[in-house]
Amino acid sequence: HSALTQPPSASGSPGQSVTISCTGTSSDVGVYDYVSWYQQYPDKAPKLMIYEVTKRPSGVPDRFSGSKSGNTASLTVSGLRAEDEADYYCSSYAGSNNWVFGGGTKLTVL
Amino acid sequence: EVQLVESGGGLVQPGGSLRLSCAASGFNFRSYWMHWVRQAPGKGLVWVSHILSDGSRITYADSVKGRFTVSRDNAKNTLYLQMNSLRVEDTAVYYCVRGWRYSYDYWGQGALVTVSS
Repeated sequence: HSALTQPPSASGSPGQSVTISCTGTSSDVGVYDYVSWYQQYPDKAPKLMIYEVTKRPSGVPDRFSGSKSGNTASLTVSGLRAEDEADYYCSSYAGSNNWVFGGGTKLTVL
Repeated sequence: EVQLVESGGGLVQPGGSLRLSCAASGFNFRSYWMHWVRQAPGKGLVWVSHILSDGSRITYADSVKGRFTVSRDNAKNTLYLQMNSLRVEDTAVYYCVRGWRYSYDYWGQGALVTVSS
């Protein structure tokens, strides 16, 4: 299973919205509604932000939202704040108890 | 409070072996799928392996298949990763992760494995 494709970087000013894409194939993102997103600060463990494409775990701000169209999933961060600056990874179930991650996107708050 | 604590990381020569353990607490361990995920220095996350709650089925990424073995002891609330025939490219932080609704909801702090001569 090949890694999902994410842009290496994204940026926005405080208060703006930014969207990070995650492109897979018809064998993973396109066929399963099991896309999740993770936020990771340097030298820290990742944190679950979105699961099942659009759902937010308890405690995750509603500024974070997820969507999917075809083979591409997206994470949108609205009302950008300085603390949103981090690396973001997508993951998708790929069938037969296999999973795949994206390469990660470094989000910079300008 | 859910806790996942990895141990067993360290420096090993190419071709060597190492076993990681992950002690779970704060939840009903035997009811959850578990994963291992790794991250090479300065690189992204890579899924390594998944094990069903009762250990009846285990899957591996192609990059580790035949070299790594995952197991669990539900009586001891512990997940294991046996790594054999280690390569330089296996150098990474290895995370023990709880599976939940086809995502990963709790992560350990990670164990650093360095493969070098």
